[in-house]
Amino acid sequence: EAGVAQSPRYKIIEKRQSVAFWCNPISGHATLYWYQQILGQGPKLLIQFQNNGVVDDSQLPKDRFSAERLKGVDSTLKIQPAKLEDSAVYLCASSLQENQPQHFGDGTRLSIL
Amino acid sequence: AQKITQTQPGMFVQEKEAVTLDCTYDTSDPSYGLFWYKQPSSGEMIFLIYQGSYDQQNATEGRYSLNFQKARKSANLVISASQLGDSAMYFCAMREHEDNNDMRFGAGTRLTVKP
Repeated sequence: EAGVAQSPRYKIIEKRQSVAFWCNPISGHATLYWYQQILGQGPKLLIQFQNNGVVDDSQLPKDRFSAERLKGVDSTLKIQPAKLEDSAVYLCASSLQENQPQHFGDGTRLSIL
Repeated sequence: AQKITQTQPGMFVQEKEAVTLDCTYDTSDPSYGLFWYKQPSSGEMIFLIYQGSYDQQNATEGRYSLNFQKARKSANLVISASQLGDSAMYFCAMREHEDNNDMRFGAGTRLTVKP
């Protein structure tokens, strides 16, 4: 089965610019997650979707971050405007249901200049 | 408070030997799951093994086994017969039923396998 697809693989922008990441989960996976992984740390959950509804976005900095999963399949994560501290790897994961193991994509490495 | 603690920032092991990576957790939820993930330098997170809080037996997956000591709240990963390709970051994670099943990760342990 095809894994979780993410793009782009790398992104470099200047602070105050906008950026968007895309994720295509494993086919049939109802639950989708976005994580932020800062260098030297474990991933931190930003938002969790169940189909096209948000289950948990308590750790999403909503003043600048937004995410959507309109049709319950693909998802996009946007940062607007970006700050230096947003430099991180953004990982997307999916699972069949929320109590199943999560399968991760390769991530998008974001660098803010 | 930290939910997941991995006290070993780095570990070394000789090829073909076994190694134990430590993980302790903090929860009052009776229903939770414990996970180990491997993250090579390429960045992807690879699911290794899962242990449910109600599981009676320790989980095993090939060369990976989980030493689950519920009373001590520890879930150490044991890798037997280490291979050079095992060199990577290893993350312990917990998901609590009462916490929206959110996955909380530890800070990770960098394992280096020496030839």
